[in-house]
Amino acid sequence: QQQVKQSPQSLIVQKGGISIINCAYENTAFDYFPWYQQFPGKGPALLIAIRPDVSEKKEGRFTISFNKSAKQFSLHIMDSRPGDSATYFCAASRSGGYQKVTFGTGTKLQVIP
Amino acid sequence: DTEVTQTPKHLVMGMTNKKSLKCEQHMGHRAMYWYKQKAKKPPELMFVYSYEKLSINESVPSRFSPECPNSSLLNLHLHALQPEDSALYLCASSPGQGRTQAFFGQGTRLTVV
Repeated sequence: QQQVKQSPQSLIVQKGGISIINCAYENTAFDYFPWYQQFPGKGPALLIAIRPDVSEKKEGRFTISFNKSAKQFSLHIMDSRPGDSATYFCAASRSGGYQKVTFGTGTKLQVIP
Repeated sequence: DTEVTQTPKHLVMGMTNKKSLKCEQHMGHRAMYWYKQKAKKPPELMFVYSYEKLSINESVPSRFSPECPNSSLLNLHLHALQPEDSALYLCASSPGQGRTQAFFGQGTRLTVV
């Protein structure tokens, strides 16, 4: 019940295209859903996050869509650029004094010119 | 300052060595974490400190020993490691007090020979 399933495992997108990564969770107690971007040899960096009281959140080229009833959420990267090439992890946690973050398995995105 | 600083960036140690990883944050965060990340895998939680007290130990072998000397510092003491312990070790912090955004450091790339 603690799992977060993420797909696809890898993704190749043309420059300027839309990159879409999907995640599904099981634990309905999760109430915070961040996305992390990780470049090789670096730590994950928080990209954007959403709480289940909203269905969509947009920050620049990055949008999270959230479907509470289906227990699914997705990351859309508009106008994808070669510099977006990285591994993306969705995650889920519960609010509280500290969080135990459950990560998805990761998606390696490659944006080709 | 939104940085979590980890030292050293790279570490090679023998199986009989004793070494320590260090992590520092000056964001006033009250929760600090150690994660282990193997290649092409998501980060795996090892330990959580909340208000300088160990709150979660994810059944980590005793050859890994965490320490939180104060609210800004987190150490991970290593002793008698195995080659399979080679990984990227990530430190993270979050505000605590119901706020869940986590910031990760750049990690220490550990190689056990």
